Amino acid sequence: QQQVKQSPQSLIVQKGGISIINCAYENTAFDYFPWYQQFPGKGPALLIAIRPDVSEKKEGRFTISFNKSAKQFSLHIMDSQPGDSATYFCAPGNTGKLIFGQGTTLQVKP
Amino acid sequence: ETGVTQSPTHLIKTRGQQVTLRCSSQSGHNTVSWYQQALGQGPQFIFQYYREEENGRGNFPPRFSGLQFPNYSSELNVNALELDDSALYLCASSLGGAGTDTQYFGPGTRLTVL
Repeated sequence: QQQVKQSPQSLIVQKGGISIINCAYENTAFDYFPWYQQFPGKGPALLIAIRPDVSEKKEGRFTISFNKSAKQFSLHIMDSQPGDSATYFCAPGNTGKLIFGQGTTLQVKP
Repeated sequence: ETGVTQSPTHLIKTRGQQVTLRCSSQSGHNTVSWYQQALGQGPQFIFQYYREEENGRGNFPPRFSGLQFPNYSSELNVNALELDDSALYLCASSLGGAGTDTQYFGPGTRLTVL
């Protein structure tokens, strides 16, 4: 059962561009919507997260947009930098259990 | 403040053996969750421990078991290892309680089963 679907699978963006990654989910009981960033050989690191009572949250260059009725949320990375090149996971959760998407590999070209 | 640490970093075992992985949670956190990440995939939830009790389990067989100690550190045990158990095992700690809190991940233990 694929509860969380992430797109695109991979993304190539020029330095300074905008990276957009989408996440669609099925379980309406999810109460926490984070994005994690993972570099090769490392554990996932929390990037930004949102609760369902808010439609948008911005932290620096990173923004989450949340559409409860469509059961989707997205990550926007403004002014993308080569150091942002990593794998990104959405991981909506409920009662402490996070369900990870398949991941999006982002490459930012200098 | 110390982050989440895991040991060992890498481990090689043969099919049928048993393995124990260890995790020290972040200071002040009373909840530990374990995830399995196969190559090229997203992490999959194995189980969670809150104040030394199992508090939710994913779709993993009983040969995956765990413990949480009074200092909130945790162990993941896997019996009768299979080739498909080869993966990165991640531990995450959080403040716990009701609802879903931010989980902070350790660097993981890379397990290879031959």
